[in-house]
Amino acid sequence: QKEVEQNSGPLSVPEGAIASLNCTYSDRGSQSFFWYRQYSGKSPELIMSIYSNGDKEDGRFTAQLNKASQYVSLLIRDSQPSDSATYLCAVMEYGNKLVFGAGTILRVKS
Amino acid sequence: DTGVSQNPRHKITKRGQNVTFRCDPISEHNRLYWYRQTLGQGPEFLTYFQNEAQLEKSRLLSDRFSAERPKGSFSTLEIQRTEQGDSAMYLCASSLVGGNEKLFFGSGTQLSVL
Repeated sequence: QKEVEQNSGPLSVPEGAIASLNCTYSDRGSQSFFWYRQYSGKSPELIMSIYSNGDKEDGRFTAQLNKASQYVSLLIRDSQPSDSATYLCAVMEYGNKLVFGAGTILRVKS
Repeated sequence: DTGVSQNPRHKITKRGQNVTFRCDPISEHNRLYWYRQTLGQGPEFLTYFQNEAQLEKSRLLSDRFSAERPKGSFSTLEIQRTEQGDSAMYLCASSLVGGNEKLFFGSGTQLSVL
């Protein structure tokens, strides 16, 4: 099984700041990449998907993909205390199996 | 509610007992996945189905685990002779072939083996 690496954190940012979450993956053949948000005791919730190099924006969220560097990131603008959660990076392997990183804990301080 | 549904939400059992969990996917989704998640870790792939066919099973999965999706709709995951190490959140997810591979998760079943 290929690997997906994330810094476990916690990443602490003040309210209103930009939170930057990073992820690297080992499978060069991967084509689909996802960010999930998981609140404590809850299941993962899909917040972003990205398939092509570059940036993809959705509201306060921007996903960035660089396949040459095998790097995916998630930016959260105007961070709110409600954004405090664990953010999981996931990569679709050949064979339709989604592989997850261990997640980064984000804490937004009001 | 048209999301992924899992039952039960919580299960407490004694070591050595068998347990069975149920997952009802989003109705038009033809792929169904089972994952396991322990504290501080990301979800770990167990197995997945496309319609009623089980297409892949993790090599980490022991023979005590079995999953079925008999009519291509709901699925069950059975764990026989449970061990304390089986304690985890068991997550079910579904997706649609041709749907940009997006997986949507149910609320999970939290298993505690005493």
